[in-house]
Amino acid sequence: GAVVSQHPSWVICKSGTSVKIECRSLDFQATTMFWYRQFPKQSLMLMATSNEGSKATYEQGVEKDKFLINHASLTLSTLTVTSAHPEDSSFYICSAPRVYTGELFFGEGSRLTVL
Amino acid sequence: KNQVEQSPQSLIILEGKNCTLQCNYTVSPFSNLRWYKQDTGRGPVSLTIMTFSENTKSNGRYTATLDADTKQSSLHITASQLSDSASYICVVTTGTASKLTFGTGTRLQVTL
Repeated sequence: GAVVSQHPSWVICKSGTSVKIECRSLDFQATTMFWYRQFPKQSLMLMATSNEGSKATYEQGVEKDKFLINHASLTLSTLTVTSAHPEDSSFYICSAPRVYTGELFFGEGSRLTVL
Repeated sequence: KNQVEQSPQSLIILEGKNCTLQCNYTVSPFSNLRWYKQDTGRGPVSLTIMTFSENTKSNGRYTATLDADTKQSSLHITASQLSDSASYICVVTTGTASKLTFGTGTRLQVTL
């Protein structure tokens, strides 16, 4: 079964609204989680690294105020797309490395469609 | 600049045939190299992970090779099945900050 769970798996929202996506590590603690965006037929693009108990680290070109990341516990990170616009429509995926082993597990992804 | 390049970009093969996907990287310092399979609309699933000292690693019909000297890796798929149709992504990890560098992926289509 999945060891990293994302919710929701898909969401449709109106332009201007905010959408929150959750990423949970199910049977291990993750002090770090990664958030990616993937456009059709392209590879994953790292957006940010969320760190439990501290601020996320954003990749160049990713707007911090647009994509709010919170990593409040060792098993949960959230990505909030604020004031979403159609160009934010994409596939968002999270991943979490298992502490000590370094194995990297990906969530199933969340498909966001902004109308 | 750390880069991971994969080839071919896309590939179509007949069911039952073998194929080999390539991954070249310039990441330094090298920590490990992973191959993932990503079905359309799903998250990537790990196939293999290889460290500096490993040359070959198999997972069922998937066999990955690593040449750390030439900074090349390959993923060989034996006796392909329709369910192998997916994108295959090569990911290299740097040794210090555990930063991941993703390849652009190879889209494989297995047909009858």
